[in-house]
Amino acid sequence: SQQGEEDPQALSIQEGENATMNCSYKTSINNLQWYRQNSGRGLVHLILIRSNEREKHSGRLRVTLDTSKKSSSLLITASRAADTASYFCATDTGRRALTFGSGTRLQVQP
Amino acid sequence: DTEVTQTPKHLVMGMTNKKSLKCEQHMGHRAMYWYKQKAKKPPELMFVYSYEKLSINESVPSRFSPECPNSSLLNLHLHALQPEDSALYLCASSQDRGGNSYEQYFGPGTRLTVT
Repeated sequence: SQQGEEDPQALSIQEGENATMNCSYKTSINNLQWYRQNSGRGLVHLILIRSNEREKHSGRLRVTLDTSKKSSSLLITASRAADTASYFCATDTGRRALTFGSGTRLQVQP
Repeated sequence: DTEVTQTPKHLVMGMTNKKSLKCEQHMGHRAMYWYKQKAKKPPELMFVYSYEKLSINESVPSRFSPECPNSSLLNLHLHALQPEDSALYLCASSQDRGGNSYEQYFGPGTRLTVT
């Protein structure tokens, strides 16, 4: 069963705009990770945030984590057409395995 | 080398066939994973190997049989599959140093069609 739900399910923006995706989960976590998947391909790890961290940056990516609300957000700034992909959050609940959220499909229009 | 390779890229098999999917990594990772992904859905965990031993089986039907011959290789043996087993099968690997999960490196997947 899915641990995380993401919203929106789909997001369409213009190049240069920011994109924000949200992830909510149900149980306590050790860490939360974000992955990107281009159509029909393997997933690429973007960023990992531990349960004792509140915010993390990597290039144009900013991730926040609110463990009291069991939620996380991924912000992509100054988006590019190449950012078009599906984005998944994934939670580690201590099983040494990840449970993926439902995903957000991002379309960046040139 | 941060690459996970999977073969074949595409596979079409009948319900009576036996086939195998292969996965290989040379990053020294001791945890390896099989996921199944249907179209427009998230990956679903099937199996986890830790130090060549099966540590998690997510109640996967016995027509899927995993094997980890050594620390670099992971196989998924397929037998008597059903059309609903058609999906993208993803392999991944990661470090394994205790209770926490680390970033996973994914292969490009095998697109399986069962006819």
